[in-house]
Amino acid sequence: SQKIEQNSEALNIQEGKTATLTCNYTNYSPAYLQWYRQDPGRGPVFLLLIRENEKEKRKERLKVTFDTTLKQSLFHITASQPADSATYLCALLPFTGTASKLTFGTGTRLQVTL
Amino acid sequence: DTGVSQNPRHKITKRGQNVTFRCDPISEHNRLYWYRQTLGQGPEFLTYFQNEAQLEKSRLLSDRFSAERPKGSFSTLEIQRTEQGDSAMYLCASSWGRASGDAETQYFGPGTRLLVL
Repeated sequence: SQKIEQNSEALNIQEGKTATLTCNYTNYSPAYLQWYRQDPGRGPVFLLLIRENEKEKRKERLKVTFDTTLKQSLFHITASQPADSATYLCALLPFTGTASKLTFGTGTRLQVTL
Repeated sequence: DTGVSQNPRHKITKRGQNVTFRCDPISEHNRLYWYRQTLGQGPEFLTYFQNEAQLEKSRLLSDRFSAERPKGSFSTLEIQRTEQGDSAMYLCASSWGRASGDAETQYFGPGTRLLVL
């Protein structure tokens, strides 16, 4: 069965360091991979999308890589700040042509301390 | 553009009662999705609409669940004869889907948290 794994343990890092979160998947061939941020009691907020033929995508302090051979995506936040503390979800999308039904991982909670 | 809104934000009900949630998507969006999220898990897809047509339903959506989007604008999700296992956050998302099938960005609402006692 399809499985998306994110580290269920919280990631604690110091302000200013780079946070790296991992998303691994099995039995899936996604056309797209997205990363979302979710704060407690709120809905997910879209951050970045990367296509299967793209290796890397950047947006300000965020960087996403996508390795379809390893079936893995890495999400980096450089120069992390306490305001980056949240749960980060990866979501996979098949190419359906009609719908973008997202399949989410369980999320990794990031805690950035001073 | 005020984003996706959902009402109510919280709902407490007794087992066996019916509940209805409402989602107002971003006005120009043609697609609307419902997801369910339990504690410590990612959202799980329930169903999706393109305009007023319900095009896909998850196996998670038992016959006690029904969703509508009567005029292609707001949507309702009704749960009949609620069970304690229905306790979760119900999230709505909307997007502008193009015929080319390229992935679009989904914008999520704040969710409705349901507690069934």
